[in-house]
Amino acid sequence: AQSVAQPEDQVNVAEGNPLTVKCTYSVSGNPYLFWYVQYPNRGLQFLLKYITGDNLVKGSYGFEAEFNKSQTSFHLKKPSALVSDSALYFCAVRDIRTDTGKLIFGQGTTLQVKP
Amino acid sequence: DAGVIQSPRHEVTEMGQEVTLRCKPISGHNSLFWYRQTMMRGLELLIYFNNNVPIDDSGMPEDRFSAKMPNASFSTLKIQPSEPRDSAVYFCASRGQANQPQHFGDGTRLSIL
Repeated sequence: AQSVAQPEDQVNVAEGNPLTVKCTYSVSGNPYLFWYVQYPNRGLQFLLKYITGDNLVKGSYGFEAEFNKSQTSFHLKKPSALVSDSALYFCAVRDIRTDTGKLIFGQGTTLQVKP
Repeated sequence: DAGVIQSPRHEVTEMGQEVTLRCKPISGHNSLFWYRQTMMRGLELLIYFNNNVPIDDSGMPEDRFSAKMPNASFSTLKIQPSEPRDSAVYFCASRGQANQPQHFGDGTRLSIL
């Protein structure tokens, strides 16, 4: 069965420090992987995706993510956090082998960046 | 470039009433998704359409919920009768090509009293 795990409910980091939001996935085939961000009272906004190719994917607002097939992980990273990065982050996966068109979302990780 | 448009943004009504949520997807997108978000259950996929046809409605909680997509530019999610446990934020999302991301509307915050 397809699944996504975000092991941390909340990540706290000081402004200017690097941040990592963790995501691991389980699919039977090759994955499409996505990161979304949600600000209060807004819908989810697309940050970046991995489909194929380079394992390091760069996205919006300075975020990047590294696909690691052996560890089945797709951690979100940013070299220097901003207070404005504080939000709820979702990892999502789609299994392209058994593709049903659906995204499976993790439970979300709240990122808190303190000044 | 207009995104996904949902209406109303907020809805407060009494239990037993019919509720209709509306969504206009991005023009040219051929897949549409309805989600529900609550603190307890997180983000749940209710139903999705491809080319206006419902593909998977396994997430629809019960027969009180129904969704339609009469054309490529409009979809509705209806709850009849509504119950307090239906209180949540309901999101609509649309997508173009299969390897492209879904684009979300800003949701409808539904409160059933």
